[in-house]
Amino acid sequence: DAKTTQPNSMESNEEEPVHLPCNHSTISGTDYIHWYRQLPSQGPEYVIHGLTSNVNNRMASLAIAEDRKSSTLILHRATLRDAAVYYCILRADGSGNTGKLIFGQGTTLQVKP
Amino acid sequence: NAGVMQNPRHLVRRRGQEARLRCSPMKGHSHVYWYRQLPEEGLKFMVYLQKENIIDESGMPKERFSAEFPKEGPSILRIQQVVRGDSAAYFCASSPLERSDKGDEQFFGPGTRLTVL
Repeated sequence: DAKTTQPNSMESNEEEPVHLPCNHSTISGTDYIHWYRQLPSQGPEYVIHGLTSNVNNRMASLAIAEDRKSSTLILHRATLRDAAVYYCILRADGSGNTGKLIFGQGTTLQVKP
Repeated sequence: NAGVMQNPRHLVRRRGQEARLRCSPMKGHSHVYWYRQLPEEGLKFMVYLQKENIIDESGMPKERFSAEFPKEGPSILRIQQVVRGDSAAYFCASSPLERSDKGDEQFFGPGTRLTVL
């Protein structure tokens, strides 16, 4: 599975936008870029995913570089509830894919009031 | 639609006992994944099951651990003769049958926190 690199930690102020970067220089053409987050003492929660085009949903936006070697998760207005560990994960498509998620260390986001 | 359910939420066992962790996937989901999170560590994939079949067990320890997902009832992760190093949070996730190979999301349960004394 292709590897991702994220900063260990980031800080943000409440109600400000947050840009969480992820590098995945060895991404293959069939790899989807997934983001999950894990709030303290909870199970992971899906945030967003994309393949080539930028994506928006009610939780966040995903900006994917043109060469797909990096992506950025954007939280438009951080709230205290967004304090969590954010994981950037590559998942291969295709009939041989078992769909398992390979979690790295993620980025621990702190949100200050 | 109820989410993924896991029970018990907390489980305490003494060394040498057996631990049984249960996971009920979301309604209509036929794919179940188990992950383990050791203290102060990241989440690690353990096993992937479809109804009555183990598809990928590449992350399962070779001994003492087993998993099943019967035709009826929840998925079970079973740990025999537990040791202190098994203390961890165990999460299961489910995904729908028809989109599991399209990069779709997994829905996680709240986890079972196993403590081995």
